Amino acid sequence: DTGVSQDPRHKITKRGQNVTFRCDPISEHNRLYWYRQTLGQGPEFLTYFQNEAQLEKSRLLSDRFSAERPKGSFSTLEIQRTEQGDSAMYLCASSLVTWGSDTQYFGPGTRLTVL
Amino acid sequence: DAKTTQPPSMDCAEGRAANLPCNHSTISGNEYVYWYRQIHSQGPQYIIHGLKNNETNEMASLIITEDRKSSTLILPHATLRDTAVYYCIVRVAPGEETSGSRLTFGEGTQLTVNP
Repeated sequence: DTGVSQDPRHKITKRGQNVTFRCDPISEHNRLYWYRQTLGQGPEFLTYFQNEAQLEKSRLLSDRFSAERPKGSFSTLEIQRTEQGDSAMYLCASSLVTWGSDTQYFGPGTRLTVL
Repeated sequence: DAKTTQPPSMDCAEGRAANLPCNHSTISGNEYVYWYRQIHSQGPQYIIHGLKNNETNEMASLIITEDRKSSTLILPHATLRDTAVYYCIVRVAPGEETSGSRLTFGEGTQLTVNP
């Protein structure tokens, strides 16, 4: 069990550029989540997948954001036309849903800085 | 999900027990109490969760009051590496979600373990 991994760990981009982040969940975990965390705040939910189906999206996920999990394994989060307000830590988590349990395990995060 | 209230900060001496309180007076019968912690610039780390009974694992103990309106996370022998923000989160079990499977983080308690 290697845990949840995220790539890259840090990304610096200029305003208006597109960026893509990757998350590899714990093997055989069927749910995958994306959260965003700004400085001094707790993580905020963005979206989640069960297998390859995207089941819920937060209002925080504007139309510039898109997430995919094409084969029910890894996931990507793309931000188009980045803005300075997108600067944050983007966290991925995964879980194996069983009756009565859905414990989410987080990756190390991708820190995005938009200049 | 029910709202939680935690003190913004606490201090603890190294080697002593750290007792972190959480109030969740509006908790429903099908909602679990989860605890996570986040060490600076890392992803949140799962600690423990429970429904009604007290729980213990290798990291901590969780004491839930009989009326379930509050809980206490106990780190029995705090070390400097336990310095982190601790989040208490209440959420429904999988299969009973009305608003998805998200974790709703508050501002947590900054625990500082002093030498």
